[in-house]
Amino acid sequence: GQQVMQIPQYQHVQEGEDFTTYCNSSTTLSNIQWYKQRPGGHPVFLIQLVKSGEVKKQKRLTFQFGEAKKNSSLHITATQTTDVGTYFCAGRPRAGTASKLTFGTGTRLQVTL
Amino acid sequence: EPEVTQTPSHQVTQMGQEVILRCVPISNHLYFYWYRQILGQKVEFLVSFYNNEISEKSEIFDDQFSVERPDGSNFTLKIRSTKLEDSAMYFCASSERTTARSSYNEQFFGPGTRLTVL
Repeated sequence: GQQVMQIPQYQHVQEGEDFTTYCNSSTTLSNIQWYKQRPGGHPVFLIQLVKSGEVKKQKRLTFQFGEAKKNSSLHITATQTTDVGTYFCAGRPRAGTASKLTFGTGTRLQVTL
Repeated sequence: EPEVTQTPSHQVTQMGQEVILRCVPISNHLYFYWYRQILGQKVEFLVSFYNNEISEKSEIFDDQFSVERPDGSNFTLKIRSTKLEDSAMYFCASSERTTARSSYNEQFFGPGTRLTVL
């Protein structure tokens, strides 16, 4: 079945440093979404990418979707302690709101002062 | 701001017992989902539900699992005979009707129900 892997599993940075998590799918995706889960919390939607090669920015966060639509990345510039949490990519192999969303393995980000 | 709610927040049950996890999706949403997350692991898709029927289900969602929308507001997940390995956080999510601008709407997650099977 489809697998979605993320690296690294865990990253510890000092506040102000940059952070990147990479997401790789074993199959081509129709679209990809990114979610953030704070410790003890639930996943919260960040963004979705649909087009090959798409790049989207949200303040300090930059999201990319690969040309082959099999990989994606999230880059955070100048991390803050509020960025702490686990970042999951989630991909759909097929179009449609009801189709299965496969979450990646997640990258846990720890930020210290 | 509208949100997805789930009850109970924590359910403890004995192995072999039936449990029903309840969710109230956001009121104008039409797509509903259940996910589970074993402690420290990734979020796993269980089932999606639209127009009063299952749209898609994963291999985890076997005959022990069922979903129901008994009225216009609730969405339930039933586990018929719980096993130790069913212990996990169960998240309900909902998504609004597909719009012309986007066919891939975000999912709004509830706070989860922690199920502990003893």
